[in-house]
Amino acid sequence: QKEVEQNSGPLSVPEGAIASLNCTYSDRGSQSFFWYRQYSGKSPELIMSIYSNGDKEDGRFTAQLNKASQYVSLLIRDSQPSDSATYLCAVNYSGAGSYQLTFGKGTKLSVIP
Amino acid sequence: EPEVTQTPSHQVTQMGQEVILRCVPISNHLYFYWYRQILGQKVEFLVSFYNNEISEKSEIFDDQFSVERPDGSNFTLKIRSTKLEDSAMYFCASEEGPGANVLTFGAGSRLTVL
Repeated sequence: QKEVEQNSGPLSVPEGAIASLNCTYSDRGSQSFFWYRQYSGKSPELIMSIYSNGDKEDGRFTAQLNKASQYVSLLIRDSQPSDSATYLCAVNYSGAGSYQLTFGKGTKLSVIP
Repeated sequence: EPEVTQTPSHQVTQMGQEVILRCVPISNHLYFYWYRQILGQKVEFLVSFYNNEISEKSEIFDDQFSVERPDGSNFTLKIRSTKLEDSAMYFCASEEGPGANVLTFGAGSRLTVL
C-alpha cells in the first residue's frame, strides 16, 4: 500500500514567521514530489515540485527532499494570512508517463495576523 | 491563463441515477485525469486517459465508472448508478505531456447523492 503521511495540524504560526510542513512517503520507487495548496472548497493548486535530493527555492517557498529518509518538506518564509490553507503533499509512484498522484491528507496551516 | 473547465459546479441526484460530469481540458494538453475528494478526506486518483484510452485506473474506478472523450474538447466521467458514498468533489485535471510534470486542476464538480 503506497501511503503519503502528513501531520493534519492545525499548524498555527504568527504572521512573518517560518511555517514548516512535513511529509513522509512509503515507496522508495517514488520519482516526483509535489506540494499543493488547497483553500477550503477549492481545487488543489500547485506550489512546488521537486525531483532530486536537496533544496529547491521559489520565492518564499522552499521544498526539501531526502529520498534516503523518504521525507519531503515545505518551508514558507515570511508567512502571510493569505497562506492560510491546507497544504497537500503528493507523490507520483507511476513510471508510466502519466501522473497518478497519491496525496496526503494535508496539513491545515493558519497564519495569525 | 489557460484553465480546465468543469460543469456542473454542483449536482444533486437520487441514489441509483446516472450522472455525467463534464470537463474541458486545456487545449494542447494530452493527458487527462479524474480525481475525487470526499469531504474531509484525501484527494484520490480515479483514472488517467491518454490517446483515447484509459492508461491507468485505481481500485475506486470500478464498473460503475466510465470515461470518454466524445469530441476533441470534452472529457466526461459517467457514474452509471450512483451510491451515497459517491458523494464527493470530483476534480478533472490535464497535463501537457510526458515530462511536463504539471497537473492543472479544474475547479471541481460537487456531487451530492441523496
